[in-house]
Amino acid sequence: GAGVSQTPSNKVTEKGKYVELRCDPISGHTALYWYRQSLGQGPEFLIYFQGTGAADDSGLPNDRFFAVRPEGSVSTLKIQRTERGDSAVYLCASSLRQGYNEQFFGPGTRLTVL
Amino acid sequence: GQQVMQIPQYQHVQEGEDFTTYCNSSTTLSNIQWYKQRPGGHPVFLIQLVKSGEVKKQKRLTFQFGEAKKNSSLHITATQTTDVGTYFCAGVSGATNKLIFGTGTLLAVQP
Repeated sequence: GAGVSQTPSNKVTEKGKYVELRCDPISGHTALYWYRQSLGQGPEFLIYFQGTGAADDSGLPNDRFFAVRPEGSVSTLKIQRTERGDSAVYLCASSLRQGYNEQFFGPGTRLTVL
Repeated sequence: GQQVMQIPQYQHVQEGEDFTTYCNSSTTLSNIQWYKQRPGGHPVFLIQLVKSGEVKKQKRLTFQFGEAKKNSSLHITATQTTDVGTYFCAGVSGATNKLIFGTGTLLAVQP
């Protein structure tokens, strides 16, 4: 079946602009995660959704970052007033349900802030 | 905050040699997972360990979870060129479901 999909695959923007990154999880997966990965490092947790609600947003670096999952499926990560330091690959993952911990990752969105 | 470290950062082996990466957490983990990320790819789940002292095998890969549930290791026997990539451990702590990824070990295999 279809895996986790993310769009766009690449996004180039200018400093100060607003961006939205989309994640479409595996159908039926109730848990959804966002991570950020910089070159040469492991993925860094940002936020976790169980259904429509953000169960843990402790990884969001500041209030410029926000994520939603209004219908419990597709999620959008929103970054306001982008900075060069936001450049990274943003990974989305989903898992079947809370407590079932195997996570399936999408291909990521490479964000470049000029 | 919680930290997960891995050593070595990089390992270069000849095809057929063995390889081991070690993972250490600053806190006790409820479980630990291992992921493999090929160059340019995304992390792919390999295995999850839950019990203290647990050992699991997948063909040439052997995974171990320490008695104190703070460390883990991945051992690959007789490496092949298809084993190339970065191996990450990822810890789950307490009631959260978030993964705290280790720093990763990049494995290069020379044919």
